[in-house]
Amino acid sequence: GDSVTQMEGPVTLSEEAFLTINCTYTATGYPSLFWYVQYPGEGLQLLLKATKADDKGSNKGFEATYRKETTSFHLEKGSVQVSDSAVYFCALSGQGGSEKLVFGKGTKLTVNP
Amino acid sequence: EAQVTQNPRYLITVTGKKLTVTCSQNMNHEYMSWYRQDPGLGLRQIYYSMNVEVTDKGDVPEGYKVSRKEKRNFPLILESPSPNQTSLYFCAVFGSSYGYTFGSGTRLTVV
Repeated sequence: GDSVTQMEGPVTLSEEAFLTINCTYTATGYPSLFWYVQYPGEGLQLLLKATKADDKGSNKGFEATYRKETTSFHLEKGSVQVSDSAVYFCALSGQGGSEKLVFGKGTKLTVNP
Repeated sequence: EAQVTQNPRYLITVTGKKLTVTCSQNMNHEYMSWYRQDPGLGLRQIYYSMNVEVTDKGDVPEGYKVSRKEKRNFPLILESPSPNQTSLYFCAVFGSSYGYTFGSGTRLTVV
C-alpha cells in the first residue's frame, strides 16, 4: 500500500539556519503530496501542497518540490524562526486528492533563539 | 469560514465506560474521517465516510464505531474503551475546494 517516510527527529536548529526535512513516498499512480504543520497544543494545518510532478508548493517561506523520479517531497526553508517550532508531517493522498491521507510519522522541529 | 468542530477537547475516562467524541462540519462536504495520532506513529485513519449512511474501516478500526446519519455529523464511538486507545484524535473533512480541514483534536486518556 501507499506509504510515506520522513526523516526522524527531533531536529534542533538556531534561528536563521537552513531547514531541510526529507520525505519520500511509495504510491501507485500520481498521488497529491502535502506538508502539514502542528503547532504545540493545536490541530493540523495545511502548510503547502503539490498535485503533480515538478510542482512546487510554497507558503510562509517554506517550499517543497514534487519529484517523481526520486519519489520525494522534501521540505525546505532558508531561514527558520523560533515561531517555526512545531511538528511537521508529510502526507499523500490518492490521485485526484479525494482519497484518504497517508501520513509520515512526523518530525519535531525546535528553533532556538 | 470552513469549520470542523470536535468535542470534547480533553477527556479522561475509565476502562469500559462507553464514550462518544463528536465531530460536525459547516461545509456540506461528503467525505469525513477520523484519525488517531500517537508518538512515533504519525496519524492513522480509523474510519471514514463517503456520504450519509456510507462508512468504512480505515487502517486501525478495532475498538471503534462510527455513524453517519446526517451529512454534518460524524461521531466516533468507543463502546468499551481500553488504555491502548489513549491517544489524540482528529476529525477531518475533505472538500474539493478546501482540501482537508482538521478539527482541533480530542485528547483522550483511558485509565
